[in-house]
Amino acid sequence: AQKVTQAQTEISVVEKEDVTLDCVYETRDTTYYLFWYKQPPSGELVFLIRRNSFDEQNEISGRYSWNFQKSTSSFNFTITASQVVDSAVYFCALIKSNYQLIWGAGTKLIIKP
Amino acid sequence: GAGVSQSPSNKVTEKGKDVELRCDPISGHTALYWYRQSLGQGLEFLIYFQGNSAPDKSGLPSDRFSAERTGGSVSTLTIQRTQQEDSAVYLCASSLGTSGSRTQYFGPGTRLLVL
Repeated sequence: AQKVTQAQTEISVVEKEDVTLDCVYETRDTTYYLFWYKQPPSGELVFLIRRNSFDEQNEISGRYSWNFQKSTSSFNFTITASQVVDSAVYFCALIKSNYQLIWGAGTKLIIKP
Repeated sequence: GAGVSQSPSNKVTEKGKDVELRCDPISGHTALYWYRQSLGQGLEFLIYFQGNSAPDKSGLPSDRFSAERTGGSVSTLTIQRTQQEDSAVYLCASSLGTSGSRTQYFGPGTRLLVL
């Protein structure tokens, strides 16, 4: 069965600190895709990144970076120099059967000024 | 270009009434998805469409839920005889076909409250 675990329910840090959100997944598929979405207080899910199982290179986009490790089935997300606007709920997801997103429970990130 | 739009943004209804939720996908996106987000259950898949066909309806919670899509575009999710446990945010997403490599883009959701 496919499953995504985000063990951190809530994280609170002070602005400018670095923060890492953990994501561990389970799948028997040899080809799979992982996603991160952000849900700000407004409620809309915003796509951040997609990673396929063949590409283990880490990705960096501005202050955001993602560390994908197949050996530990993890796809962690780091925000460097966090800002108040980064406050949101972040979801990690795995796609099943090419169409169904299997979601983690989400991590609520609070950035305090 | 325009993103996924959903209407209404909020809906309050009385238990036992029927409701219709609408989703307009991104133009050109052939795949459309409905998810539900509730406090107790998190994010759950409900149904998806490829064109006007719904190959997988297994996520629909009961036979009170139905969905259709017409013209390969707009989709309507209908909940009959609403119950309080139907209260949730209903999210619609669309993508360029169904494939793991296709990103699903989400609308703002419809917040449904059943009194």
